[in-house]
Amino acid sequence: EVQLLESGGGLVQPGGSLRLSCVASGITFTNHAMSWVRQAPGKGLEWVAGISESGSTTYYAHPVKGRFTISRDNSEDTLYLQMNSLRAGDTAIYYCARGVSAYEGAFDMWGQGTMVTVS
Amino acid sequence: DIQMTQSPSSLSASVGDRVTITCRASQNIRSWLVWYQQKPGNAPKLLIYGASTLRSGVSSRFSGSGSGTDFALTISSLQPEDSATYYCQQANSFPPWTFGQGTKVEIK
Repeated sequence: EVQLLESGGGLVQPGGSLRLSCVASGITFTNHAMSWVRQAPGKGLEWVAGISESGSTTYYAHPVKGRFTISRDNSEDTLYLQMNSLRAGDTAIYYCARGVSAYEGAFDMWGQGTMVTVS
Repeated sequence: DIQMTQSPSSLSASVGDRVTITCRASQNIRSWLVWYQQKPGNAPKLLIYGASTLRSGVSSRFSGSGSGTDFALTISSLQPEDSATYYCQQANSFPPWTFGQGTKVEIK
């Protein structure tokens, strides 16, 4: 089955850490840049972090830079997001999203999301 | 960062109506504009990229237009299954990729 499956969300206290995972199946994972996009309850979409196909280049949104680390293991078709120093404002559904190969910046495949609650 | 502003924030229209959502960028993004549809409880779905290129498999009821700073998503004949929130996103300059605040479309 072609899918992205996130895991690792949960309830954490402010200042705590979580590591999210996103396992890809049915796709050629190494052909795609990947990103994490979050959505706070009842709010819009916010891009959080992105990583190149090889993992050699990473990008972060200003609110998470220095606290979050995106990485990938291409041998395991898995994307990660290490989240440290969590704040209440990080509470959201976190989606992993596949970048379109021929159109950088568009996301054509999304996971179902994993909920992170900081409280 | 490039700011994306959508209007209206919400709208209510009847089945068969022509509906247009607009999206304005705070600076020139050429045609680097993407539209998504999100239904409650679901992840977003890519509809249009490059401002006007319909993703394969997406209904031809949807169309996109615009370039520079002003863009539009049009639903030519609104259907019940089009009830959703629609987001624009600029793909011209990053980090960060930025989204509009969303437009909720309801069926009367």
